[in-house]
Amino acid sequence: AQSVAQPEDQVNVAEGNPLTVKCTYSVSGNPYLFWYVQYPNRGLQFLLKYITGDNLVKGSYGFEAEFNKSQTSFHLKKPSALVSDSALYFCAVRDPYGNNRLAFGKGNQVVVIP
Amino acid sequence: EAGVAQSPRYKIIEKRQSVAFWCNPISGHATLYWYQQILGQGPKLLIQFQNNGVVDDSQLPKDRFSAERLKGVDSTLKIQPAKLEDSAVYLCASSLSLAGIQETQYFGPGTRLLVL
Repeated sequence: AQSVAQPEDQVNVAEGNPLTVKCTYSVSGNPYLFWYVQYPNRGLQFLLKYITGDNLVKGSYGFEAEFNKSQTSFHLKKPSALVSDSALYFCAVRDPYGNNRLAFGKGNQVVVIP
Repeated sequence: EAGVAQSPRYKIIEKRQSVAFWCNPISGHATLYWYQQILGQGPKLLIQFQNNGVVDDSQLPKDRFSAERLKGVDSTLKIQPAKLEDSAVYLCASSLSLAGIQETQYFGPGTRLLVL
């Protein structure tokens, strides 16, 4: 079955510093990968996705993600973190053998320190 | 464009009571999903519909959970009777269609359920 792992529970970063949220995947076949962000008491908001093509994917709010096939990773990045980026971030993989359902990781809490 | 709407936003019930959640997807979206998000975990798919037909309900606890999407638009998710472990956020999502591997799912704000 397709799955993703988010190894860290919480990521702390100072405002203005680069932000990285890690995600590794395990799939049969081609990976279809997504990042979502969840603010308190809100639903998930779509950030970006990798389907095919360039390994560097650009998304909303200045976020980007780098797809690395050899390391089976899809890390989310932002060059300069803002306090407003403090939220819960989820990596997900689509399962084409399971009616295209999304399988989510456990999430990473990001805290940006002013 | 209006997003996915859900109601109520919060619900507190006692165990063994019943509860229902409502979802209105983005206009024109054929596929609708219900997820359960337990505190500290990622969302888990409960059921997905393509128009008014069930595509996947393999992870739905059918002894107590039910869902319907009668006219292919709005959907309701019901729990009867509720257990303590059903305390979670219930998220509804929609996408244009099921067939596209690159389809993006768009989520509503969720309903936070507390079972006492």
